[in-house]
Order: sequence, then structure tokens, then C-alpha cells
Amino acid sequence: NAGVMQNPRHLVRRRGQEARLRCSPMKGHSHVYWYRQLPEEGLKFMVYLQKENIIDESGMPKERFSAEFPKEGPSILRIQQVVRGDSAAYFCASSPNGQGGEAFFGQGTRLTVV
Amino acid sequence: SQKIEQNSEALNIQEGKTATLTCNYTNYSPAYLQWYRQDPGRGPVFLLLIRENEKEKRKERLKVTFDTTLKQSLFHITASQPADSATYLCAPGNTGFQKLVFGTGTRLLVSP
Repeated sequence: NAGVMQNPRHLVRRRGQEARLRCSPMKGHSHVYWYRQLPEEGLKFMVYLQKENIIDESGMPKERFSAEFPKEGPSILRIQQVVRGDSAAYFCASSPNGQGGEAFFGQGTRLTVV
Repeated sequence: SQKIEQNSEALNIQEGKTATLTCNYTNYSPAYLQWYRQDPGRGPVFLLLIRENEKEKRKERLKVTFDTTLKQSLFHITASQPADSATYLCAPGNTGFQKLVFGTGTRLLVSP
């Protein structure tokens, strides 16, 4: 029973390029959360998605960032025209029904913008 | 706005002692509160969940209390071990498709 899978684990992008981060939730989970964590800082909520729906995107920057969770396939966090300030660890978590309770986290994607 | 506060300073204790971590929240009425552990370079791992109608919850050497009047949860690790060294995060929450928001975490260092 695989846990939450994130890939890639490490991603290096030059300024101005696009970064695509993938998250496959646990089997049977239809709710996904994305978080960003800067060094020595806490987890900052970005977006909460259910299959084919964005439930809450109040933590997403207004520009360059987008997220989706299609009916088939992983959830994708997309960052266009990356800047150095986007360098961080991005974690996703999944839960079975979004009704409260334990969330299962992936190991994160470490994005470095050079 | 909702605020979740955890002690940002690291907590240093000796092996065998009880570690107590605090989570305070304001402008919030959570139905439950979760605690997670995060090791460096890894994703958080769920430890315990306590509901608003529960005063205390235990799991092995872990104990969590939840005081909705004080708007506070305390997380205790008894007989602490160096392997307990990590950052501990609290996350108050509500049911019904609510986002899961975390406190900044408290780093615990248990020395032999």
C-alpha cells in the first residue's frame, strides 16, 4: 500500500523556466493539499483540491502558480516563470474524504531556482 | 484572522524527562486538533488527533490535552529519548472540506 508519492524529489530550474511538481495521493484518497516550506520556517498552506475541483486556493500566489487534480492521474502544482524566491520544499498531503482527520504526507519536492 | 502559535524557540531537555509543547490558537473554534512530527528533509507524520469533546488522549508515551476554554493544546512526551528529537506541529481543524493549517512548529532536542 504505497504512501503519497511526490516526484521529482529534487528539481533544479533556471529563472524564467516552468516547474511541474507531481503528487499521487494514497490509494482511495480523493483530497489533496499542497504546502510550501521555506528553510527554517513552517508549512504554509497553498491549495486544497478534490478530484477535478479546487476547494480552497487562498494560499496560492495570485500569479504564476496553478494547481490541478484531474479525474485520472496525479495532482500537479505548476509554477511558471520561476524566480529565486520560489526555491523551497513543496509538500503534498492526501486524505480520504476531507471530513477531518489524519492527512498523509509525501516526502516533498525540493525546488531550487538558479 | 485565525492564528496558530507554537513556541518558536527550540525546547532542550534531557533524556528521560517529560517534554511539554504548547499550541495556542485564536479567532478559531476547531472541532479537533492534530499533532504531527516532522524530521529534517521529510514530510510530517501524523501522531495524534483529539476532538473538542475529549479532554485528553494518550498513545504510548504521548499525551495530548485540549482546552477549548483556554484555546490551547498541550503535547507531552514522557520518558523522552534522543530519537524523539524532531519538530512537532499542531493543526487545529474542522470537518466539512476545510483546509488543514499548521502552526510553525516547535523543535524538540533530547540530549542523552
